[in-house]
Amino acid sequence: GQSLEQPSEVTAVEGAIVQINCTYQTSGFYGLSWYQQHDGGAPTFLSYNALDGLEETGRFSSFLSRSDSYGYLLLQELQMKDSASYFCAVNAGNMLTFGGGTRLMVKP
Amino acid sequence: NAGVTQTPKFQVLKTGQSMTLQCAQDMNHEYMSWYRQDPGMGLRLIHYSVGAGITDQGEVPNGYNVSRSTTEDFPLRLLSAAPSQTSVYFCASRDKEEPVQYFGAGTRLSVL
Repeated sequence: GQSLEQPSEVTAVEGAIVQINCTYQTSGFYGLSWYQQHDGGAPTFLSYNALDGLEETGRFSSFLSRSDSYGYLLLQELQMKDSASYFCAVNAGNMLTFGGGTRLMVKP
Repeated sequence: NAGVTQTPKFQVLKTGQSMTLQCAQDMNHEYMSWYRQDPGMGLRLIHYSVGAGITDQGEVPNGYNVSRSTTEDFPLRLLSAAPSQTSVYFCASRDKEEPVQYFGAGTRLSVL
């Protein structure tokens, strides 16, 4: 099966940089995804890493190390609207398994 | 494109009642999944399908049935509702060649 670990909560100030870590154990691995979910909303896709290294999409970057079973999401120039929950998810082919989520609170 | 459409948005059931949560997608995606999300928790996979006529169990399948008679539709049936099934249910779909999963708006279910 799969298991994913990520911090439950992170707090940062507007304009800062924050990193959300994710470690995983899985019996099958194609890649690691990140999703954002605002309160009361549905998860939306942010990024995907199939290979080791950094993927950058605007203010968001995601990193993967397959040998360490570890990845992170980096959010730069934090804005108030970035306050949300962030989930890492392992793509094991047919299935997508999610971590418990990290609640990010951005303060002025 | 409507994307992934779930109905109803809200539902209240009594213990022992049965109901079907509807999910439809108009993106011709092969893969569809049902998740449940309890307050402050992540998403747990209930059932998934890789194409019409093919379904499989996820992490928490007990108490739920699914079928996939068409590519577009993937209904979730609660056989005999229990208070432990109070949750938000999300349906999702994705192309088998792409990593992006698209979610519906969710169904908020309360079982009394």
